[in-house]
Amino acid sequence: EPEVTQTPSHQVTQMGQEVILRCVPISNHLYFYWYRQILGQKVEFLVSFYNNEISEKSEIFDDQFSVERPDGSNFTLKIRSTKLEDSAMYFCASSPGTDYTFGSGTRLTVV
Amino acid sequence: QKEVEQNSGPLSVPEGAIASLNCTYSDRGSQSFFWYRQYSGKSPELIMFIYSNGDKEDGRFTAQLNKASQYVSLLIRDSQPSDSATYLCADHYGNNRLAFGKGNQVVVIP
Repeated sequence: EPEVTQTPSHQVTQMGQEVILRCVPISNHLYFYWYRQILGQKVEFLVSFYNNEISEKSEIFDDQFSVERPDGSNFTLKIRSTKLEDSAMYFCASSPGTDYTFGSGTRLTVV
Repeated sequence: QKEVEQNSGPLSVPEGAIASLNCTYSDRGSQSFFWYRQYSGKSPELIMFIYSNGDKEDGRFTAQLNKASQYVSLLIRDSQPSDSATYLCADHYGNNRLAFGKGNQVVVIP
């Protein structure tokens, strides 16, 4: 069964550093997303990406965040100057337009 | 602001029993909803989605949508220990985004 692949599975970074979270969506999917889940809280939408551009973003997705599809397979989330409150599980998802498949997530710990 | 509420506390059910989960949503215009299962520390796994009033069955799972009362429910029949997880209700809206509830934890007791 096709999978959404995320790397790394766990990243520890110092406050103020930049991190890049990587995702390989399912190959024939057209829509890509990033969600995050702070420990014990809801899964929250960050951004959706379609046709090589952001189609929607939440209020969480401020100038600190950016997304990119640098080639035909990867989809990345960059967080500039990380803060302690960015510590969370970050999930990538992809969709053909209806249901969504989530990757296994990257646990980001900012120290 | 889309609100999806899942307010009940952990649900303990004996193995083989029916687990019943409820979810309410704030936007009367919402059209479709997803149920996901999430094991601790893992990503959400799709159980099913529903967009029409009434029931939708898939194996041991039945989703029910009542747009007039703005609630969505999920029934798990013949509960198994492997069903022990947190169940997330999500409202599908906008340009393909999901608003999740906080989840209902289910514990199936062998």
